[in-house]
Amino acid sequence: DTAVSQTPKYLVTQMGNDKSIKCEQNLGHDTMYWYKQDSKKFLKIMFSYNNKELIINETVPNRFSPKSPDKAHLNLHINSLELGDSAVYFCASSPEVGNQPQHFGDGTRLSIL
Amino acid sequence: SQQGEEDPQALSIQEGENATMNCSYKTSINNLQWYRQNSGRGLVHLILIRSNEREKHSGRLRVTLDTSKKSSSLLITASRAADTASYFCATPPRAGSYQLTFGKGTKLSVIP
Repeated sequence: DTAVSQTPKYLVTQMGNDKSIKCEQNLGHDTMYWYKQDSKKFLKIMFSYNNKELIINETVPNRFSPKSPDKAHLNLHINSLELGDSAVYFCASSPEVGNQPQHFGDGTRLSIL
Repeated sequence: SQQGEEDPQALSIQEGENATMNCSYKTSINNLQWYRQNSGRGLVHLILIRSNEREKHSGRLRVTLDTSKKSSSLLITASRAADTASYFCATPPRAGSYQLTFGKGTKLSVIP
């Protein structure tokens, strides 16, 4: 049983397209996150939701729009993809808000042609 | 903003040796966490040490925290090839923040 699952695992698409990444956790956690990891392994927080409500929204272009239909799901939609969006995107969850241990998915590798 | 910085950036040791990685951070914290990332996988939480703790153990892992120096170390004893991974420390970017910021990691290679 995968605790935090992301789909797709790989995403190759052309500049200008719109794409979505889905994330689901079966841990019963209240808080979910999206991170971006660049080619140098630097991991940066993008968004965080607690019980379907947005609580962290870092400086991310508004082409990125998260959606949380329920507390077990946090999806990420990206409009007008750019070359600089190429990265690995990780979803994570934690029991509640606060500096608690986070459980990560295995990432979605996004490549923009 | 980046908070934790791991040192060294890369470390290569023989199986059976001990591996020590260090993390320095900038602001006051309530806890510090260490994570491992195997190639092509997500991060896995290893250990959390609170600001009022000085040392914590979990199996072959030993973490120390020195809040006066704003630094932490992760020691892996009797390393195995399976310990080959990148190791990250994570701290809140500022006191009271909900989020974690991660350093760039130490890439550990354990040679069989």
